[in-house]
Amino acid sequence: AQSVTQLGSHVSVSEGALVLLRCNYSSSVPPYLFWYVQYPNQGLQLLLKYTTGATLVKGINGFEAEFKKSETSFHLTKPSAHMSDAAEYFCAVKRETSGSRLTFGEGTQLTVNP
Amino acid sequence: SQTIHQWPATLVQPVGSPLSLECTVEGTSNPNLYWYRQAAGRGLQLLFYSVGIGQISSEVPQNLSASRPQDRQFILSSKKLLLSDSGFYLCAWSVIGAGLSGNTIYFGEGSWLTVV
Repeated sequence: AQSVTQLGSHVSVSEGALVLLRCNYSSSVPPYLFWYVQYPNQGLQLLLKYTTGATLVKGINGFEAEFKKSETSFHLTKPSAHMSDAAEYFCAVKRETSGSRLTFGEGTQLTVNP
Repeated sequence: SQTIHQWPATLVQPVGSPLSLECTVEGTSNPNLYWYRQAAGRGLQLLFYSVGIGQISSEVPQNLSASRPQDRQFILSSKKLLLSDSGFYLCAWSVIGAGLSGNTIYFGEGSWLTVV
């Protein structure tokens, strides 16, 4: 069975600082991994995803994530935080080959301080 | 392009009253459809998913039910709401079949349900 652990339910950074949101997964098969962002009172928006190929994945809004199989990790980073990055971020792993069902982590609330 | 709509956006219902949240997808056919719930301060929990008309799978036992009367319509219902049903409900869809695009789930804007 697949599962996802996001370390840190709340992360606070200063504007312009590095953003690092951690995600570790467990999966019995090579996983498909996703990061979604949720702005207040809105649905989820796909930031980026890893399926196959290059392990460093670039997404929208300057975010990127690196799939590290040896560490079973898929951490999300952004070199310089912007105030508009404040949101909740969810890591997810694809559960099965049918239906594209995803298992989500608990989420990490990112606060960006001026 | 594909779009997903769900409504109502906000709902306040008394305990014991019925519930109906609707979701429709446009611009695609035969999608996988999902209902997720996000309780305050928690992650997302998959409630139901559907791979076709009339085909509903329930992930967790609960006070809710789902139906898919048409290919691109997904309805979340309850006959009698409980306080614990409060939360943010998200409808989502994905493409059926092989291929990379089949692995992405696209979400609606969500519906806030408060049971009082």
